[in-house]
Amino acid sequence: EDQVTQSPEALRLQEGESSSLNCSYTVSGLRGLFWYRQDPGKGPEFLFTLYSAGEEKEKERLKATLTKKESFLHITAPKPEDSATYLCAVQAPAAGNKLTFGGGTRVLVKP
Amino acid sequence: GAVVSQHPSWVICKSGTSVKIECRSLDFQATTMFWYRQFPKQSLMLMATSNEGSKATYEQGVEKDKFLINHASLTLSTLTVTSAHPEDSSFYICSASGQGGSPLHFGNGTRLTVT
Repeated sequence: EDQVTQSPEALRLQEGESSSLNCSYTVSGLRGLFWYRQDPGKGPEFLFTLYSAGEEKEKERLKATLTKKESFLHITAPKPEDSATYLCAVQAPAAGNKLTFGGGTRVLVKP
Repeated sequence: GAVVSQHPSWVICKSGTSVKIECRSLDFQATTMFWYRQFPKQSLMLMATSNEGSKATYEQGVEKDKFLINHASLTLSTLTVTSAHPEDSSFYICSASGQGGSPLHFGNGTRLTVT
């Protein structure tokens, strides 16, 4: 069974204080690892897809990396508008297109 | 980018009534749509996978007679919560994907409150 574990559960940062979120996974044949951002009362917003170990992707202050066992989402010099819940999910061929989500990391960036 | 529209964004209904939620892919054809449920401060739990023109596949523990899913076209899937009870109150989110390996795009969710 595919499993995804995110840590920490919650993260409080001062504006400008860089940090990393962790997503550990076990899956039988990774098709893709996805990062989403979710604001309260909204659906998840797609950020990145990573397909193979060593791959990195960047978008503004966010950078996602992938190894064979985990992925990191680095937030560089965060701003208050980066406050959100960040969700990691994996997709495996055996499960079709289904995504298995981690529990998420709630990030609060204080000005 | 791919857009998924979900309607309504919130609904309040009385216990015992049924509620229908729509999920539309606006600019792409979605052969598969997914329905999730999310409790406060928790992650998304998959309820069912909806394939166009065929019966939905429900996850273990999800009552198929209570949560009716219809995927009549490549751009529309509906979730009907039948005989709703207060414990069905939750945030329901749909997602859609055109092909395997492509990212799932999500609707903005429907907040259901059953009184």
